[in-house]
Amino acid sequence: KNEVEQSPQNLTAQEGEFITINCSYSVGISALHWLQQHPGGGIVSLFMLSSGKKKHGRLIATINIQEKHSSLHITASHPRDSAVYICAFLKTSYDKVIFGPGTSLSVIP
Amino acid sequence: EPEVTQTPSHQVTQMGQEVILRCVPISNHLYFYWYRQILGQKVEFLVSFYNNEISEKSEIFDDQFSVERPDGSNFTLKIRSTKLEDSAMYFCASGGGEQFFGPGTRLTVL
Repeated sequence: KNEVEQSPQNLTAQEGEFITINCSYSVGISALHWLQQHPGGGIVSLFMLSSGKKKHGRLIATINIQEKHSSLHITASHPRDSAVYICAFLKTSYDKVIFGPGTSLSVIP
Repeated sequence: EPEVTQTPSHQVTQMGQEVILRCVPISNHLYFYWYRQILGQKVEFLVSFYNNEISEKSEIFDDQFSVERPDGSNFTLKIRSTKLEDSAMYFCASGGGEQFFGPGTRLTVL
């Protein structure tokens, strides 16, 4: 069984739509990251969270430790949000990051 | 704003050759990481490094790989004898919680 799963795998949205990307994991974690990988390959860290909710601009990340689930929301989506969104986490007691398979988002004008 | 840098941006090498990928982490960071991403696949953890030693490594990080902090600023990944399947994008990151990623080095092994 994969330690981390993301859904959906691919997502196409119209500009302005509210978007949700989900991440489920099966092991104990000390922190979860949401990362954005641009079409050119560069990776940007969007959030690191270990509980609750964080907001940055149009992006909101939530995590439910008991349910081992995290979501990334994008409000008022824009074509420049088109990228692959990856959840990744640090396993408890390990200095090792596990990456999800990514969700490929395409926002159409 | 401080950033992680990597050189070269693209390295082409012949199978069996040694390559050294270089990273300059953010100066006050203490934890350093190498990851790789084979084209079309997900990012994979290779190794983490803290206090001048490896703190964790993956199954991928076999004897062909080594990491070093040769001076106070650089963090290097060496692949001793490259194989075709080592062709990938290699990312360095630094941080102690939130991680800051470098732009990557694309390694092509012919």
